[in-house]
Amino acid sequence: DADVTQTPRNRITKTGKRIMLECSQTKGHDRMYWYRQDPGLGLRLIYYSFDVKDINKGEISDGYSVSRQAQAKFSLSLESAIPNQTALYFCATQGQGSTGELFFGEGSRLTVL
Amino acid sequence: GENVEQHPSTLSVQEGDSAVIKCTYSDSASNYFPWYKQELGKGPQLIIDIRSNVGEKKDQRIAVTLNKTAKHFSLHITETQPEDSAVYFCAASPNNDMRFGAGTRLTVKP
Repeated sequence: DADVTQTPRNRITKTGKRIMLECSQTKGHDRMYWYRQDPGLGLRLIYYSFDVKDINKGEISDGYSVSRQAQAKFSLSLESAIPNQTALYFCATQGQGSTGELFFGEGSRLTVL
Repeated sequence: GENVEQHPSTLSVQEGDSAVIKCTYSDSASNYFPWYKQELGKGPQLIIDIRSNVGEKKDQRIAVTLNKTAKHFSLHITETQPEDSAVYFCAASPNNDMRFGAGTRLTVKP
């Protein structure tokens, strides 16, 4: 089983719908991240969390919210999806502070029509 | 915040040739520079990293160099193989906000 699991892997939805992307990890890491990948733009940080009580905005947090339900679970929500949120979303964990290796899930591809 | 630029966006080489990908960063406080490889349909995976107190690091066929004065760092892959074909991302981290470059799609032709 993968150390970082994202669900769903693919989702097609309509404008205005609420969407939740879920991430769970078995690595025992405190730090978890949500990134968005767009062609030609690389990976951009949406939100990150250093423990259950800690949530921080990243570079592009507008239109997104997150919930850290437990050390192992970090969910990303789009309250009202719009077409320009169509992208590949990655969850990642990190275990060694700000200069440690990021361990990524396999991604959730979201299409907003 | 930190801004990372990566070149080229695409790179095609013959098997056995070398490949070089270059990145520049803007924040002099950045002290950690990882490189990630993303294969089709998968998440990025760390292949090598370098910290600001080191100028060069090598791991078998891959090496990374860092020039802190010029604020640039490079990935070198020697003796390329078809399995090296992937998208490569550089990143720079001044604090908790790791910024990635836009990526380089490397194609190694057999």
